[in-house]
Amino acid sequence: AQKITQTQPGMFVQEKEAVTLDCTYDTSDPSYGLFWYKQPSSGEMIFLIYQGSYDQQNATEGRYSLNFQKARKSANLVISASQLGDSAMYFCAMRAFYNTDKLIFGTGTRLQVFP
Amino acid sequence: SAVISQKPSRDICQRGTSLTIQCQVDSQVTMMFWYRQQPGQSLTLIATANQGSEATYESGFVIDKFPISRPNLTFSTLTVSNMSPEDSSIYLCSVPVVAGGQETQYFGPGTRLLVL
Repeated sequence: AQKITQTQPGMFVQEKEAVTLDCTYDTSDPSYGLFWYKQPSSGEMIFLIYQGSYDQQNATEGRYSLNFQKARKSANLVISASQLGDSAMYFCAMRAFYNTDKLIFGTGTRLQVFP
Repeated sequence: SAVISQKPSRDICQRGTSLTIQCQVDSQVTMMFWYRQQPGQSLTLIATANQGSEATYESGFVIDKFPISRPNLTFSTLTVSNMSPEDSSIYLCSVPVVAGGQETQYFGPGTRLLVL
């Protein structure tokens, strides 16, 4: 069965510091994609970063990078130079291409950035 | 990318009534998805809206409760029927987009539903 696990219900980080949000996954499909989304209090889901299972390099998008460790089945999100506006819920999600097109989401991590 | 709009953005409804949520995409897409996010919870897929055929529902969701229409490649509706307070959630539509070898899935802004 496919599963996404986020073990950190909440994280605190000081402004301008880096923070890592953990995500582990389980799938038997050889081809899959991993996503991170940010959900502010407004409720919208904002796409942050994507990592394909066959990508050789870790994905990066501005201050976001994905620490992809395939053997460990982990896809941690690293946010560098945190800003107050980064305070939000963060969801890790997976799409397994052969099985289904749907996204399976983790339970999320609430990040709070303090001055 | 894809620009997705949803209507209404929020609503307060009485139990026993129905609400239809609209999702409009600025480009033609093959697949559209409807998710539900109950308060304090993660997102759960309700169904896949297929153009030209019936929607495909996930376990625990049925067509009588959540009828879906997909009249063309840019539009879909989700109806929440015979509502109860347990239906209070954010409902989001999403579409997968592949560009430059990278895949993503974009979400609409969501519809916040409160059932009294």
